[in-house]
Amino acid sequence: KQEVTQIPAALSVPEGENLVLNCSFTDSAIYNLQWFRQDPGKGLTSLLLIQSSQREQTSGRLNASLDKSSGRSTLYIAASQPGDSATYLCHPRGRNAGNMLTFGGGTRLMVKP
Amino acid sequence: EAQVTQNPRYLITVTGKKLTVTCSQNMNHEYMSWYRQDPGLGLRQIYYSMNVEVTDKGDVPEGYKVSRKEKRNFPLILESPSPNQTSLYFCASSLDRGPTEAFFGQGTRLTVV
Repeated sequence: KQEVTQIPAALSVPEGENLVLNCSFTDSAIYNLQWFRQDPGKGLTSLLLIQSSQREQTSGRLNASLDKSSGRSTLYIAASQPGDSATYLCHPRGRNAGNMLTFGGGTRLMVKP
Repeated sequence: EAQVTQNPRYLITVTGKKLTVTCSQNMNHEYMSWYRQDPGLGLRQIYYSMNVEVTDKGDVPEGYKVSRKEKRNFPLILESPSPNQTSLYFCASSLDRGPTEAFFGQGTRLTVV
C-alpha cells in the first residue's frame, strides 16, 4: 500500500522567501504526481501535474519536480506571497487500483506580510 | 464547464437518520472516488468505482455505502450516521485509471449530532 509523507507538516515564512515543500512516496509504480492547494474548509485546486516520464513542470512561480525512482517530489514556490497561504497536498497516482488516489498529509503554509 | 458537483455543501443531521450525499461529474469520467478529511488524519479514501456497477472499498468503508448505476453519478450513502462520521467529504473523478488528472468537488461538510 502506498505511503505518502510530506515534510514539513507546517511552515511559516515572511513574504518574499523561496520555499521548498517535500513529498515522498513508497510505491514508485505511478502514472503521475499531482500537487493540490487547499484553502481552509474548501475544495482541492490542482496546481501541477507531472507525468511519470517527466522530471518537472512549471506554472508561474511554481515548479514541481519528480524523481520517480527514489519516490520523491518537490514543490518550489518562488517569491512567496500572503495569498500562497494554504495547505499543499501531494498525490502520486498509483498504477495499482487501490493506490490510485492516495494523498500525503499536506504541508500547511503561512506566508506573513 | 468541466466539474465535479457535490450536494449538499453543508448538512447537519441527527444520529441514525439515513442520508445521501450526491456527486455528479460532467466529464464522462470512468473513475470516481469518495474521501473524508479529518484534522490530523488527512484525506482517507472511503470507496472508489472503476466504472458503472464496479465499486470497491477504500481505507475507511465502514458505515458507508455507494452505488454507481450511471457513469456520471456516484452517491455516498450513510444508512445510520453516527457522530464519528462528522467530517468534510470530497468526491473525485478522473478519466480512467491511467495517467490522467484527478478533479475534486468542493466538499460537503457533514455534522452528525
